[in-house]
Amino acid sequence: LAKTTQPISMDSYEGQEVNITCSHNNIATNDYITWYQQFPSQGPRFIIQGYKTKVTNEVASLFIPADRKSSTLSLPRVSLSDTAVYYCLVGGDSSYKLIFGSGTRLLVRP
Amino acid sequence: GAGVSQSPSNKVTEKGKDVELRCDPISGHTALYWYRQRLGQGLEFLIYFQGNSAPDKSGLPSDRFSAERTGESVSTLTIQRTQQEDSAVYLCASSLTSGGVSTDTQYFGPGTRLTVL
Repeated sequence: LAKTTQPISMDSYEGQEVNITCSHNNIATNDYITWYQQFPSQGPRFIIQGYKTKVTNEVASLFIPADRKSSTLSLPRVSLSDTAVYYCLVGGDSSYKLIFGSGTRLLVRP
Repeated sequence: GAGVSQSPSNKVTEKGKDVELRCDPISGHTALYWYRQRLGQGLEFLIYFQGNSAPDKSGLPSDRFSAERTGESVSTLTIQRTQQEDSAVYLCASSLTSGGVSTDTQYFGPGTRLTVL
């Protein structure tokens, strides 16, 4: 799986939009980009997945530029409950083995 | 329906003892995975099951670690002669099939926190 690089931590305030960028310079043609969220004392939870351009669901948006060497997870109007660790993963059809980096610790303040 | 469940939620043991960790996947999920997460770190892949066979055991840290799965149901991760470095949260996940990250979302359980004294 392609190695990913993301900020170690980010701070935000309630109601703001948060953008977390992940670099994956060695992404392969058949690789997808997946984001997971992990709250303390819980297992990771799937948030969103994309291949190119933009993907949006009820939780977040994922922006992927044309070269696919990076991606940005966008969380609109965060609340205190969005405080968690966010992991960016890259992998393809044969990559059942999820490889997590250290993730980005997001702290949302009142 | 119910999600992935794991038991016990917490386990404290003494160095040298054996422990068994249990995972109940989502009903109907054929693929099951074990991961380990040390404090403040990301997850490490341990082993993957497709049905009751384990085609990939590459992540098991040593021969003290073993796992089995009964049919397409419960899995048990066993650690023999536990060491302090085995202390971590052990997470189990399941997916409908094992088509890969692009097609099969892995659903995680809450984990078992293992502390070896």
